[in-house]
Amino acid sequence: GAVVSQHPSWVICKSGTSVKIECRSLDFQATTMFWYRQFPKQSLMLMATSNEGSKATYEQGVEKDKFLINHASLTLSTLTVTSAHPEDSSFYICSARNPGLGAGNEQFFGPGTRLTVL
Amino acid sequence: SQKIEQNSEALNIQEGKTATLTCNYTNYSPAYLQWYRQDPGRGPVFLLLIRENEKEKRKERLKVTFDTTLKQSLFHITASQPADSATYLCVPNFGNEKLTFGTGTRLTIIP
Repeated sequence: GAVVSQHPSWVICKSGTSVKIECRSLDFQATTMFWYRQFPKQSLMLMATSNEGSKATYEQGVEKDKFLINHASLTLSTLTVTSAHPEDSSFYICSARNPGLGAGNEQFFGPGTRLTVL
Repeated sequence: SQKIEQNSEALNIQEGKTATLTCNYTNYSPAYLQWYRQDPGRGPVFLLLIRENEKEKRKERLKVTFDTTLKQSLFHITASQPADSATYLCVPNFGNEKLTFGTGTRLTIIP
């Protein structure tokens, strides 16, 4: 149980294009989903928190117009990197949470999406 | 400000021995601590959660302790195996839903 998937697992795109990453909770309803970014040998950095049906809350320094988050249902959240540039190349990971699952506070992570912008 | 430290960046342990990872914090005690495992190129996997009023939690070969006096959590893997090699992350939570990750401890089990 508590499986989270991401699609695609990797993507290569040209500079200036937009890329959409999907995050799905497969066997539970995610009241909250989180998007993280991880650069090589660094820790996961929280980008934004999203609750189904409401606007995402972005962390300081994360541009909301560049990283568009949509959490349209309790099982799907999408992150769109708009006008991607090489510095956006990173490992993007989503997680999902449901207070009724497990101990109530853990997050279940997707396998990640490797984005490379040429 | 609050600070969480894991004892080392890297730890090498002989197969079959117990691996012990340390997580220390300063100032305020977290409401609970979570331990995750992350393999290269993969998302973290939740392992165990321990609350501040719990002394110990176990799951198969894993054991976590939480000492609010020492401001420390210990994570043990008994009868370690090469497949246990990964980065282990101690993640505190101070009562809200956000998690703050460090770089963790990279554990290598040597056959």
